[in-house]
Amino acid sequence: DTEVTQTPKHLVMGMTNKKSLKCEQHMGHRAMYWYKQKAKKPPELMFVYSYEKLSINESVPSRFSPECPNSSLLNLHLHALQPEDSALYLCASSQDLNEQFFGPGTRLTVL
Amino acid sequence: AQSVSQHNHHVILSEAASLELGCNYSYGGTVNLFWYVQYPGQHLQLLLKYFSGDPLVKGIKGFEAEFIKSKFSFNLRKPSVQWSDTAEYFCAVNAPSSASKIIFGSGTRLSIRP
Repeated sequence: DTEVTQTPKHLVMGMTNKKSLKCEQHMGHRAMYWYKQKAKKPPELMFVYSYEKLSINESVPSRFSPECPNSSLLNLHLHALQPEDSALYLCASSQDLNEQFFGPGTRLTVL
Repeated sequence: AQSVSQHNHHVILSEAASLELGCNYSYGGTVNLFWYVQYPGQHLQLLLKYFSGDPLVKGIKGFEAEFIKSKFSFNLRKPSVQWSDTAEYFCAVNAPSSASKIIFGSGTRLSIRP
């Protein structure tokens, strides 16, 4: 299995909702990432987990809460989001902390 | 701090034309360099990468890139483009000392006229 999967593909939520994005990889990669991508912009790094521990938090607001339950799974918990948080959320994984493999993303709309 | 510049925001070519997309980075030390492609509605895919060795690297789908250290450049080339190459292309750089952070350029949108 050489892919990163993400669920759901699309998510619409209100500003008072709590939701979670999920990411899974079975390539044995030890690093996993969350990125945010706005339309016609490059991905922006949010979080990096290395060996299931949070190693990088790019000053992301606390309404985004990452979780790495095990080496294959990465979650992003969402609470009290703002409309400007609407974007494509990408998960990626890598073995050697360099080349990253990306999932298809979750298209999030905050109303 | 590292940064990546892609000066061509939108490139429009006819099929069979040759392609060169520019990428410059700013970092004085050892870097790893990547080109990623994002086809419409699809996820980011790695086209090619440079870690060390031969500065001319070949990737998938007939793409290649040349690392010129003195110019801090890693330009992407393809001798003859196809309509299916229509996509967004991102250059990216990672300094091995930066604990797995990849910095992406702003991207170049490539449109191919059939």
